[in-house]
Amino acid sequence: KQEVTQIPAALSVPEGENLVLNCSFTDSAIYNLQWFRQDPGKGLTSLLLIQSSQREQTSGRLNASLDKSSGRSTLYIAASQPGDSATYLCAVAPGEGTALIFGKGTTLSVSS
Amino acid sequence: EAGVAQSPRYKIIEKRQSVAFWCNPISGHATLYWYQQILGQGPKLLIQFQNNGVVDDSQLPKDRFSAERLKGVDSTLKIQPAKLEDSAVYLCASSLDGGGFVEQFFGPGTRLTVL
Repeated sequence: KQEVTQIPAALSVPEGENLVLNCSFTDSAIYNLQWFRQDPGKGLTSLLLIQSSQREQTSGRLNASLDKSSGRSTLYIAASQPGDSATYLCAVAPGEGTALIFGKGTTLSVSS
Repeated sequence: EAGVAQSPRYKIIEKRQSVAFWCNPISGHATLYWYQQILGQGPKLLIQFQNNGVVDDSQLPKDRFSAERLKGVDSTLKIQPAKLEDSAVYLCASSLDGGGFVEQFFGPGTRLTVL
């Protein structure tokens, strides 16, 4: 049974810091991995999607890497801003079009 | 392009009452998902539709939850009767089929409080 773990559960950093959020999964047989952002009381916003054949994806200040063999993904946020404060969720798709299996998320707080 | 629409955004009911949630996916998206997100947890799948057929409902508590997707477009999720532990955010998501690049897009969710 696939399980997704995110560490740390919460993180507080001052504005401007570079930071890394970690995601691990128990079964390396995945189709893709998505990182989402969730603001309080809101739905999920997709940040990056990495196909199983890819090693990384970049969007602006965000970079996500995938190491399928070790069951790990990292989300790197450069030059953090207070607006980055949110919960970040990692999710894996076991197969094409299958439902996502989520971690519990990392709640990030960036202070000005 | 319009996103996934859900209504209502908030609902408060007493236990043993019934409630229904509505979702309209992104136009052209054949696959629709309902997830339940309990406070402090990641979302968990309740049911997945492809067009108007059920793909996966293995985690749906069928004694109290039901869902339908008539005409393969919008969908309704119902709870009857509700229990305290059903308090959660109910998220609807949709995705295109095939193409080798399947990304799920989520609606704003419905926050349910059962008293």
